[in-house]
Amino acid sequence: ELKVEQNPLFLSMQEGKNYTIYCNYSTTSDRLYWYRQDPGKSLESLFVLLSNGAVKQEGRLMASLDTKARLSTLHITAAVHDLSATYFCAVDTSGGTYKYIFGTGTRLKVLA
Amino acid sequence: SAVISQKPSRDICQRGTSLTIQCQVDSQVTMMFWYRQQPGQSLTLIATANQGSEATYESGFVIDKFPISRPNLTFSTLTVSNMSPEDSSIYLCSASEGQGIGNTIYFGEGSWLTVV
Repeated sequence: ELKVEQNPLFLSMQEGKNYTIYCNYSTTSDRLYWYRQDPGKSLESLFVLLSNGAVKQEGRLMASLDTKARLSTLHITAAVHDLSATYFCAVDTSGGTYKYIFGTGTRLKVLA
Repeated sequence: SAVISQKPSRDICQRGTSLTIQCQVDSQVTMMFWYRQQPGQSLTLIATANQGSEATYESGFVIDKFPISRPNLTFSTLTVSNMSPEDSSIYLCSASEGQGIGNTIYFGEGSWLTVV
């Protein structure tokens, strides 16, 4: 059974600091996605990573994928309060059919 | 990206009743899915809604409890049958526009159900 685990589950950080969220998965996949969820809202697509070594950046967030290590990271640079949300990674389990297994989620709180 | 609308957005339901959630996409999509998100938890895939045929359910979900329809390429419904408090969750409709490189799935706003 495919498992997708995120670390940490909760993260409280000061504005201006850097931090990394880790997403480990237990089976082979070369498609990984990052989403953001604000309280009471649905999910917003952040990044689509489709190959080993893929790196995507948007603003203060940068995501990378290492398919050999079965690891993706979401790096936060100089955090700001607006980044407070829950972040999910998701793995496509079946070669592009979009059946996603979601990670446990990381609840991020950026303190002003 | 496709815009996905769900109705109802919220509801409070009596134990033992059933509720149907509607999902409308503003363009034709190849894939539609239903997810459940229990309070404070991650998302779990319930089923893939197949156009013109029976949905494909994931382990732990059955058609009698969660019947799904998809009559065309833009619309799907999920019914939560014979509800109990354990069914209190957010139910999310999602869709993908195709299977090309770079495609991802998009989510509706969710339907927040509370069973009392």
